[in-house]
Amino acid sequence: GAVVSQHPSWVICKSGTSVKIECRSLDFQATTMFWYRQFPKQSLMLMATSNEGSKATYEQGVEKDKFLINHASLTLSTLTVTSAHPEDSSFYICSARDGSALSGNTIYFGEGSWLTVV
Amino acid sequence: GENVEQHPSTLSVQEGDSAVIKCTYSDSASNYFPWYKQELGKRPQLIIDIRSNVGEKKDQRIAVTLNKTAKHFSLHITETQPEDSAVYFCAARFGNEKLTFGTGTRLTIIP
Repeated sequence: GAVVSQHPSWVICKSGTSVKIECRSLDFQATTMFWYRQFPKQSLMLMATSNEGSKATYEQGVEKDKFLINHASLTLSTLTVTSAHPEDSSFYICSARDGSALSGNTIYFGEGSWLTVV
Repeated sequence: GENVEQHPSTLSVQEGDSAVIKCTYSDSASNYFPWYKQELGKRPQLIIDIRSNVGEKKDQRIAVTLNKTAKHFSLHITETQPEDSAVYFCAARFGNEKLTFGTGTRLTIIP
């Protein structure tokens, strides 16, 4: 099946610094990617929808100036957590939609990134 | 917007028995319903999906049924095995819209 790669898989950063997470679709073009946050034992919470070549659409309650999303190409979207604080520590997962005719808009997930802010 | 409810939140079944997880959705326009399996600290894996033009789909030990009138869909796992232990999420979507996930079911298979 299609592959979505997410990097880094885990990162530790100091409070107040920024950290960037990359999401790549390896064998298909993804005009739309999604960023989720998942706390332990909870469901996936959609943060924003990333559209190639345009501004991301953020879900209610998600600070767009804190969680910067860039989708500059059809295979890469990045999430930058700016001025990170300990409460930002979480599991962040991206997904990408394969919009090809054969795929039928199937969604594939990246491996996820564990962020720990100390 | 879409709202997806999932039950039960936890489920324990004896190895070899069947497991059933149920989801309901609110938006009658939703037409795509995937199920994902997530092991601890890993990515959700698509295990089966169904579109609104069919009522049932089966893939070996896994099946999904859809009742559009009642707006609910269910995941059925037969002959459960220890490796089926994981958290399962249902989701619903209309067209190219975003997926809305259920709250998850932690399935434990008892050897």
